[in-house]
Amino acid sequence: DAGVIQSPRHEVTEMGQEVTLRCKPISGHNSLFWYRQTMMRGLELLIYFNNNVPIDDSGMPEDRFSAKMPNASFSTLKIQPSEPRDSAVYFCASSFGGNRPGELFFGEGSRLTVL
Amino acid sequence: AQTVTQSQPEMSVQEAETVTLSCTYDTSESDYYLFWYKQPPSRQMILVIRQEAYKQQNATENRFSVNFQKAAKSFSLKISDSQLGDAAMYFCAYVDSGGGADGLTFGKGTHLIIQP
Repeated sequence: DAGVIQSPRHEVTEMGQEVTLRCKPISGHNSLFWYRQTMMRGLELLIYFNNNVPIDDSGMPEDRFSAKMPNASFSTLKIQPSEPRDSAVYFCASSFGGNRPGELFFGEGSRLTVL
Repeated sequence: AQTVTQSQPEMSVQEAETVTLSCTYDTSESDYYLFWYKQPPSRQMILVIRQEAYKQQNATENRFSVNFQKAAKSFSLKISDSQLGDAAMYFCAYVDSGGGADGLTFGKGTHLIIQP
């Protein structure tokens, strides 16, 4: 299995630009999570989906952030407009959920730098 | 809300020695799961070990073992016979057992350095 695939691995953009991060979860997993990692705040859960439905988006920092999961094999996290404080590593993770809660498989992350 | 605290920002150990990483958590739930995840320089988070709160027996995975003290809400990770490949950030994490799709709550992490 290829694991969780994220793209791009690195993104450098200017303030005000739109950023789209992409994620392909492991086939057969029914839960998908977006996390943000910074030195100051550590790993923060932004949003998670179960069977393609957003369950909890209370971690999304503000309306500039949005996430979609149009099907079981693809999700996007969009920031519009981007700001320098959005600079972070964004991780996507997937899991079977169910009776194995918390056993997440992570992608390699997308490092975002907003100038 | 649940919180996870790792009080050691950085730990250093000699190769082949044993090191213990500390973690405490706060929850009002009685049934939950605890985890240690490893993040090497490649950035990808990897599950190291898992503990179910209703099990009194401490989990063990090869050189990795935990000391789970439910009453004290403490969950430490012991790494025996440390190897250079163990160098990484280690994160303690928590999830309620109630919702299978609930996201993990992570601690801030401990940077483990292995001295050759």
